[in-house]
Amino acid sequence: EVQLVESGGGLVQPGRSLRLSCAASGFTFNSCEMNWVRQAPGKGLEWVSYISSTGSTVYYADSVKGRFTISRDNTKNSLYLQMDSLRAEDTAIYYCAREITVAGSDGFDFWGQGTMVTVSS
Amino acid sequence: DIQMTQSPSSLSASVGDRVTITCRASQSLGSYLNWYQQKPGKAPKLLIYAASSLQSGVPSRFSGSGSGTDFTLTIGSLLPEDFATYYCQQGYSTPRTFGQGTKVEIK
Repeated sequence: EVQLVESGGGLVQPGRSLRLSCAASGFTFNSCEMNWVRQAPGKGLEWVSYISSTGSTVYYADSVKGRFTISRDNTKNSLYLQMDSLRAEDTAIYYCAREITVAGSDGFDFWGQGTMVTVSS
Repeated sequence: DIQMTQSPSSLSASVGDRVTITCRASQSLGSYLNWYQQKPGKAPKLLIYAASSLQSGVPSRFSGSGSGTDFTLTIGSLLPEDFATYYCQQGYSTPRTFGQGTKVEIK
């Protein structure tokens, strides 16, 4: 069974840092592209970042570029999101999501349960 | 960035109703469009990929259609467990972008 379990969320002051983790199991992690997607309270879904299966290619949303860093450790079946210079508008549930490409369309076929990040003084 | 616009933002429907949700992209996607269902307090769930292909395990009352810039998600006969928020997402380019969501509520 595919499982993605996020951790590391919490309350943090503006300007501080936080590191999220996502533990993967039930599939061949080192063959899969992964993403972070977030959802602010009461709002819609916002893609945050992508990482290729080897970690050699990464992409970011403009809203987090230069502040967030995505990484992975395939020996530990884990995905990470280092979040620096946090702002109030980063407050959201952060989901890790496995990417699937079928018939050319890139989507997210498995999602974790999410971890809440609250940025407030 | 490709902008995704869903309509309506919300709708009220009864069990057994046929429901249609529309998603429009700011540029052509071919068929690179996916649909998700999200229930309160839960992670999104992939329903439809590549505009019209049903994800494994998803009931056949869900269907998708469209290509280019205009797409539709249809629920053939609404069941109580279908009351949720639905999102479209373009799978054509990075950044991946989602529609703003359509909340399907009980009438």
